[in-house]
Amino acid sequence: RKEVEQDPGPFNVPEGATVAFNCTYSNSASQSFFWYRQDCRKEPKLLMSVYSSGNEDGRFTAQLNRASQYISLLIRDSKLSDSATYLCVPWHPSNTGKLIFGQGTTLQVKP
Amino acid sequence: GAGVSQSPRYKVAKRGQDVALRCDPISGHVSLFWYQQALGQGPEFLTYFQNEAQLDKSGLPSDRFFAERPEGSVSTLKIQRTQQEDSAVYLCASSLVGQNTEAFFGQGTRLTVV
Repeated sequence: RKEVEQDPGPFNVPEGATVAFNCTYSNSASQSFFWYRQDCRKEPKLLMSVYSSGNEDGRFTAQLNRASQYISLLIRDSKLSDSATYLCVPWHPSNTGKLIFGQGTTLQVKP
Repeated sequence: GAGVSQSPRYKVAKRGQDVALRCDPISGHVSLFWYQQALGQGPEFLTYFQNEAQLDKSGLPSDRFFAERPEGSVSTLKIQRTQQEDSAVYLCASSLVGQNTEAFFGQGTRLTVV
């Protein structure tokens, strides 16, 4: 099993829609989680960090389910500018500091 | 500088040629990472430095790949005898030490081996 798994999509949604995608992780010792956003041909940039059960920042909500070992990202009221690839990164101490990225989920918001 | 700087932005190499990719991390960032990203994939871990110490090089795909950070700041990723499968974007990231710290990425070097 891969350390991090994401549905690559693409998820095609209309503007204003609510969309959610999951990221499953294999290491139960993962303590922190990061969602990065990557625009086409650009570098990844941090969207949100999760250190407990979840986090909310405006239209974006991350929720952690430790029992089932997945973390979700919910985007409400989607904007055209939300179109990007969203990368999930769990972190655990045995990873010697390195970050292991998922494949990413591509979101396309249509007018 | 204000962010992570990588050079060159684009590199075309003939198969068999050696290349060197440079990364200037954010000043004061102890941790430095190299990733390889193929089209449609997430960044794949290559190697990790804490200051000048290379703590993890488990992701380097072969002994043709070599990375160094001799003075704990600038890092160079060297690929010897490039092959077509080395074509990818090579991303460098830096961060402060610790689990709660954000990794900042450079814009990457797009390597095309012809």
